Amino acid sequence: GENVEQHPSTLSVQEGDSAVIKCTYSDSASNYFPWYKQELGKRPQLIIDIRSNVGEKKDQRIAVTLNKTAKHFSLHITETQPEDSAVYFCAASRTGGGNKLTFGTGTQLKVEL
Amino acid sequence: DVKVTQSSRYLVKRTGEKVFLECVQDMDHENMFWYRQDPGLGLRLIYFSYDVKMKEKGDIPEGYSVSREKKERFSLILESASTNQTSMYLCASSFGALTGELFFGEGSRLTVL
Repeated sequence: GENVEQHPSTLSVQEGDSAVIKCTYSDSASNYFPWYKQELGKRPQLIIDIRSNVGEKKDQRIAVTLNKTAKHFSLHITETQPEDSAVYFCAASRTGGGNKLTFGTGTQLKVEL
Repeated sequence: DVKVTQSSRYLVKRTGEKVFLECVQDMDHENMFWYRQDPGLGLRLIYFSYDVKMKEKGDIPEGYSVSREKKERFSLILESASTNQTSMYLCASSFGALTGELFFGEGSRLTVL
């Protein structure tokens, strides 16, 4: 089955700095890579996703990059703000897997004032 | 808005008790999932279902069973609760057979004494 590794487990940045979270996956057939954000005490919510036919995707201050050859993908947050503080999960799945996502272990991001 | 509702936010049970966790979604989603969330381990898939009366094992099904008698409802059952099943349980649903967004419930925190 798929295995997703996520690093770092904790990340502390100053407000306005950039944050990068990296994930690697094992199943070369995986072709869908979403990122979920979970604020303290709340449910995880999708913030951005990328499919294997795309190398990079941006949505305002958030971007995701994908390197299929190396089987890794990354989340980039620019101009971080205190409300970006949360746990971020990467995940992977493949078409035909019916949304069966395999998640990474999560990154606790803290944005300090 | 998609709404995924888990019947109990907090439960305390004793070792050996039978435990039912209920999940209901109101968007006519085909797919439903039960994940377990533990610190440092991320979200791990217990069971999932693509259709009524259909179920498939996830990555950690041991000690659990599920029931899906109606499309909108997916129940997680712990036949004989054990202390190592103390955890946060998250239900999720999604639409369609292809990869797509998971909508999570708010979670049920189970403590087994």
